[in-house]
Amino acid sequence: DADVTQTPRNRITKTGKRIMLECSQTKGHDRMYWYRQDPGLGLRLIYYSFDVKDINKGEISDGYSVSRQAQAKFSLSLESAIPNQTALYFCATSEGGLAGAWNEQFFGPGTRLTVL
Amino acid sequence: AQSVTQLGSHVSVSEGALVLLRCNYSSSVPPYLFWYVQYPNQGLQLLLKYTSAATLVKGINGFEAEFKKSETSFHLTKPSAHMSDAAEYFCAVSDSSYKLIFGSGTRLLVRP
Repeated sequence: DADVTQTPRNRITKTGKRIMLECSQTKGHDRMYWYRQDPGLGLRLIYYSFDVKDINKGEISDGYSVSRQAQAKFSLSLESAIPNQTALYFCATSEGGLAGAWNEQFFGPGTRLTVL
Repeated sequence: AQSVTQLGSHVSVSEGALVLLRCNYSSSVPPYLFWYVQYPNQGLQLLLKYTSAATLVKGINGFEAEFKKSETSFHLTKPSAHMSDAAEYFCAVSDSSYKLIFGSGTRLLVRP
């Protein structure tokens, strides 16, 4: 079974709809991240969480919110989806602690979101 | 602030040829640098990472990268390309709060 799972894998929605993307991990990691990938722009950080009580905005948090329901679960919500939020979304996890700077991040398979 | 620049959004090589993917970084502190690979319809996976232990870093699938402080570079190489190497490659640097800053990616095409 995959260590980092994302649901749904594909989603088409309409402008103005609320949508939630879910991420679960079995790696026991404290840190979780949400990124979006757009062609030619690489991955950009939306939100990150270093433990259950810690939520931080990333580079492009406007229009998004998150919830860390448990160590293993980190959800991303689009309150009112708009077409320029069409992208590939990735969840990732990593270990915490003092070695955090060089800890590998483990990525889920991604969710392809289309907003019409 | 840390940043990375990947030169060339697309690189095309023949099977068996040398692969060279370029990455330059900007960092005010000793950097931690990473190369990730993304195969079609998959998430990213780590190829290799530099954490100051050695300037030449060997990774999976025959890839390696050399950290050159004087050139602020961390280029990725592989002596002989294989068709299965076709993918998108991302260079990343870890910032002071342990987040990854990614480059824009380089898509590697391998011609038969």
